[in-house]
Amino acid sequence: DTEVTQTPKHLVMGMTNKKSLKCEQHMGHRAMYWYKQKAKKPPELMFVYSYEKLSINESVPSRFSPECPNSSLLNLHLHALQPEDSALYLCASSQTYSQGASNQPQHFGDGTRLSIL
Amino acid sequence: TQLLEQSPQFLSIQEGENLTVYCNSSSVFSSLQWYRQEPGEGPVLLVTVVTGGEVKKLKRLTFQFGDARKDSSLHITAAQPGDTGLYLCAGAPGNTGFQKLVFGTGTRLLVSP
Repeated sequence: DTEVTQTPKHLVMGMTNKKSLKCEQHMGHRAMYWYKQKAKKPPELMFVYSYEKLSINESVPSRFSPECPNSSLLNLHLHALQPEDSALYLCASSQTYSQGASNQPQHFGDGTRLSIL
Repeated sequence: TQLLEQSPQFLSIQEGENLTVYCNSSSVFSSLQWYRQEPGEGPVLLVTVVTGGEVKKLKRLTFQFGDARKDSSLHITAAQPGDTGLYLCAGAPGNTGFQKLVFGTGTRLLVSP
């Protein structure tokens, strides 16, 4: 069982819908990440939160809006998505995101498989 | 341009065979990590290699970090069906030390009984 929990596991939505993906961890980690993974491809970083503040936005379109309400929760709000946004969205956490921490392990959830109709 | 190239992309072998997966880059990494991802799940960390030339063993899996810290390899001895999955190397390029991971292109391994 993973220590990072993502809900829902599957989501089908139309291009005009608004939905949210949720991620939760109780390991006391202060860094949380969103990745996008297309079929047969590696994960690609979208956002990094460090101590509940957005540290990195990898030029992600504004139709994806991240939120970190507290140190255990990470949300990804979705609005007006396109069919090419269909993918597996992975959440991960690590102890910190700081200089000298590049060899820290990241703990991944099992992802939300998102399909845009 | 992909920072971390893995080879082969796909490997289908019989149980009991040995195999090696390579992860190559023209950039230097302060460390490299190897993850395995099974269908319907997120990646799970197998190992982190930090020192150039380092060799780490995890049961039948042997990981090596190149002397120049630009490449790594994963060798599996006597592969088993449970080893089936997507193997990903990952690292934070540059010398900043921040953990902004870039993943390799991936190697999909299928071990048949």
